[in-house]
Order: sequence, then C-alpha cells, then structure tokens
Amino acid sequence: QVLLQESGPGLVKPSQTLSLTCTVSGGSITNGTYYWNWIRQPAGKGLEWIGRIYTGGNTNYSPSLKSQVIISLDTSKNQFSLKLRSVTAADTALYYCARDTGIPLARGAYDIWGQGTMVTVSS
Amino acid sequence: SYELTQPPSVSVSPGQTARITCSGDALPKKYAYWYQQKSGQAPVLVIWQDSKRPSGIPERFSGSTSGTLATLTISGAQVEDEADYYCYSTDISGNSWVFGGGTKLTVL
Repeated sequence: QVLLQESGPGLVKPSQTLSLTCTVSGGSITNGTYYWNWIRQPAGKGLEWIGRIYTGGNTNYSPSLKSQVIISLDTSKNQFSLKLRSVTAADTALYYCARDTGIPLARGAYDIWGQGTMVTVSS
Repeated sequence: SYELTQPPSVSVSPGQTARITCSGDALPKKYAYWYQQKSGQAPVLVIWQDSKRPSGIPERFSGSTSGTLATLTISGAQVEDEADYYCYSTDISGNSWVFGGGTKLTVL
C-alpha cells in the first residue's frame, strides 16, 4: 500500500526558509490523479491546510500563506516538497503530508497521511 | 478568508448520541468531510462527501448537512470515540480548503 513519510530539519531559524519533503512509497507519485497535500498543526491547536499539488503539477495554496509557500513535485525521487519562506515562531508546528482518494468530487477525503514531522522555528 | 465554525467541546455519557456541528457559508454547495484525531496520532477520515463512511469506520458514525450546517453524529458514543473532531471543506472556488477549529469530544 502507499505510504507517506515526511522529512526535513527539525529546527529552522527565524526569517529563513523551511523545507520539507514527503516521500511516497508503495506506488508512483505520477500514477493516478491525486492531490498531494501539506497540513500543519501547532502544538495543542487545530489543523491548518497549507496547500496541495496535483499529479499534473497544478498547485493551490491557502490564501493566508500563499505569499510564503511553494509546493513542488520531484517525480524522479517520488517525492513532493514544501518550502515556506520567511518563517517566524508562528510557523512552529507538526507538519503532515497527505494524499486524497483520487475521487474527483471528493478532493477533501484524505485517506493516506504521513506520521508528521515537528518543525521548530527558533534562533 | 473562508471559515468553518465548530463548538470547542461536546460532552456525552457512554451510549448517548453525540452531535458535533460545523457551520460554513459554502456548505450548501460544497461537501463536508470529518476527521477524527486522537492524541498523538494523525487524523483519520470518518465521513466524506457529507454522509459517506469509509470502510472500517463503525456504523455509529454518520454525517448530514442542512443548509449551511453540517453535523457529525455518533450514535451510542463509546469511550474510545474520545478525540478531537474536525470538519473540513472548501470555499466556493473549490481550491481553498479549510479545517474547522475542532471539537473536543469527551465521553464519560
């Protein structure tokens, strides 16, 4: 079955760029018509959708983060990535990657999630 | 930006029915999804397209919508259903997704 695994630095300095990767195993990232998503969760707080990338490369971002975020695909490595620039302490969170079910009218149904990776923004 | 509004907490006794609501202006036109998140775990989808239950989710979980209100109902709530529940949907464009603030369900 398809599995997702987040990876990246656990500590990022303020004003720098947070870079995370989600590695897809058990299937090709280009196989099918899926949206690949990034979601984050500050400690003790709720979930926040960051953005998504389609198998074909189209992206959508949260309006509140749009100016800071880039999500990209690396098909050669079977990965997709998140870059969040100019981070502050408010970006400290557990970051999840997730895949939708591929059903065209059910793009909010995420049936596969990574375990999450904690990122702390601090000097 | 688009918002979904949930009550912060709901509390029921075991065996009672728990209802968690989610309000959003686009819900008459956009599907609601519900996620369960237990402490220290990734979220799990429990309802999709307003009322469909993924395989493996107990039948006591159901979903419905009426106008701008989506509701997650847990009929005969169990202690193991204690978790945070999040509604999830998109704005009218379909390209900007939002989670509700989450509802902590206590069953005791």
